[in-house]
Amino acid sequence: DAGITQSPRHKVTETGTPVTLRCHQTENHRYMYWYRQDPGHGLRLIHYSYGVKDTDKGEVSDGYSVSRSKTEDFLLTLESATSSQTSVYFCAISLYDGEQFFGPGTRLTVL
Amino acid sequence: AQSVTQPDIHITVSEGASLELRCNYSYGATPYLFWYVQSPGQGLQLLLKYFSGDTLVQGIKGFEAEFKRSQSSFNLRKPSVHWSDAAEYFCAVGATSGNTPLVFGKGTRLSVIA
Repeated sequence: DAGITQSPRHKVTETGTPVTLRCHQTENHRYMYWYRQDPGHGLRLIHYSYGVKDTDKGEVSDGYSVSRSKTEDFLLTLESATSSQTSVYFCAISLYDGEQFFGPGTRLTVL
Repeated sequence: AQSVTQPDIHITVSEGASLELRCNYSYGATPYLFWYVQSPGQGLQLLLKYFSGDTLVQGIKGFEAEFKRSQSSFNLRKPSVHWSDAAEYFCAVGATSGNTPLVFGKGTRLSVIA
């Protein structure tokens, strides 16, 4: 199994606070993704990365930024959290055949 | 642009009954297709995938899915449902080049009754 960890697993924050979520992989995979999951919407892509310092926007990227300075880490930052960003955030990696393997998720609540 | 439709938001079946979850996709070429399952409070687990070849694919936990190009469908089936199958199921489509973001359907929640 591909090793993916996400931290923190749970976070409660206040509106206007910056928040950074971390995704860490142990398998040296090139492609990494951030999705958010909301009831009635399934999973929607926020940003993805196809290598160190190479990232691109997804469907719901407004209000989010990402960074990837090392192959193993992909960071998602909410510069100024809003209540609409309350969600469950999943990180994923692409395995060699395009199948994606998901991390355990981070539940974020913005009050 | 790719899209996935799962027409059924919630399905309830009796334990031991057969199951079919519907998935329709939109994609300009032959897609990569996936079914994932998510138990309450858990992450996503891959049930099965279709890349090419035999249009009937077998997955884990006794699930299978059939790719029908003419109908743009990739329906998930199981002949006999167990109470532990209660979960949310997501269909997803990806590009055949691989290593591209997946587009997910909105999910179908499965409830299993005795």
